[in-house]
Amino acid sequence: AQKITQTQPGMFVQEKEAVTLDCTYDTSDPSYGLFWYKQPSSGEMIFLIYQGSYDQQNATEGRYSLNFQKARKSANLVISASQLGDSAMYFCAMREGGSGNTGKLIFGQGTTLQVKP
Amino acid sequence: DTGVSQDPRHKITKRGQNVTFRCDPISEHNRLYWYRQTLGQGPEFLTYFQNEAQLEKSRLLSDRFSAERPKGSFSTLEIQRTEQGDSAMYLCASSLVVFEQFFGPGTRLTVL
Repeated sequence: AQKITQTQPGMFVQEKEAVTLDCTYDTSDPSYGLFWYKQPSSGEMIFLIYQGSYDQQNATEGRYSLNFQKARKSANLVISASQLGDSAMYFCAMREGGSGNTGKLIFGQGTTLQVKP
Repeated sequence: DTGVSQDPRHKITKRGQNVTFRCDPISEHNRLYWYRQTLGQGPEFLTYFQNEAQLEKSRLLSDRFSAERPKGSFSTLEIQRTEQGDSAMYLCASSLVVFEQFFGPGTRLTVL
């Protein structure tokens, strides 16, 4: 069954340092997509980065990069040069299937990141 | 360019009352999703619309829940005879293609 696992309930990082948030997934579908979202205390889900299962290179978006290890079924988020504004809840999510699929997302339980000054 | 909007942002109601939430997606987006998020958990899928057609409903969507998307534009989610267990954040998301979903600010429901 499709499942997303985030094993770190909470993480601390010093400002300006890099941090890795872990995500593992389980699916039998060869076509899938992996997402990371940020949810500040205001509640809105902010899209950060996307990785398709057939993408050859790891996705990057500014200070965010996704360390995609297909054989290990992991999709860790790396945030470089952490900023105080990065303090938030982070969710890993998965979409199964290709373009004909509904695109619904399955979310992990989230990791709370706190950036220390 | 406006993002996904939801109304109201907060709703407090008494058990047994009916409530309705509205979602306005990004204008050209034909896909619309509703999710529910309880405290400390990730969002859970409720239902999916492609244009005006409701193509998938989760088992979480009991008979007390109904969603519509008339004319493929805005969507409404109604909960009848609310229960305390319905207290949650209700999130709406829209997309044009499957590799992106943009979320609205959510409606936080509290059932007393």
